[in-house]
Amino acid sequence: SQTIHQWPATLVQPVGSPLSLECTVEGTSNPNLYWYRQAAGRGLQLLFYSVGIGQISSEVPQNLSASRPQDRQFILSSKKLLLSDSGFYLCAWSASPGNTGELFFGEGSRLTVL
Amino acid sequence: SQQGEEDPQALSIQEGENATMNCSYKTSINNLQWYRQNSGRGLVHLILIRSNEREKHSGRLRVTLDTSKKSSSLLITASRAADTASYFCATGGGGFKTIFGAGTRLFVKA
Repeated sequence: SQTIHQWPATLVQPVGSPLSLECTVEGTSNPNLYWYRQAAGRGLQLLFYSVGIGQISSEVPQNLSASRPQDRQFILSSKKLLLSDSGFYLCAWSASPGNTGELFFGEGSRLTVL
Repeated sequence: SQQGEEDPQALSIQEGENATMNCSYKTSINNLQWYRQNSGRGLVHLILIRSNEREKHSGRLRVTLDTSKKSSSLLITASRAADTASYFCATGGGGFKTIFGAGTRLFVKA
């Protein structure tokens, strides 16, 4: 069966520090991978998605970046965090090709920027 | 911009009652999905309904879709305290760019 791992679960970082959130998927090949951000009490904002190694599409201009160095690994990074980067970050995957659109989510990473 | 908008934003009911949540969207869709999120956790897929379907059931869940009104509803029958969570509708063309609404927070009192 497929599983998705996301870490760290919780992170407190000072403004201006770098960020690296990692996500890995097991049990499937060539998944579509996604990073979403959720502000407190709000819906999900799509940040990045990837259909293959090295292929990244950005949905929202910001100081965040994403990389996909391996088929089942998706990394969210920042060189210098802003206060507004605080939030709950969720990694997700969907099947490819012939996907139904169903997304499978990790347990999330809560980032607090102070 | 958000595609799905849930209504109500929050709902509080007694255990055993039915809970109904609504979702409206703006553009044409291939499918509409409902997800559940327990506090501080990831989202879990509940049910997907395709644009050519009008109603779908899964256990205590019943989803309807009216493409002419661009709306969907999620009904949870005989609610339980464990159903307390946030519920999101999501629309898209499948896979890429699935757009989520702001969610309905359901609280079921035991």
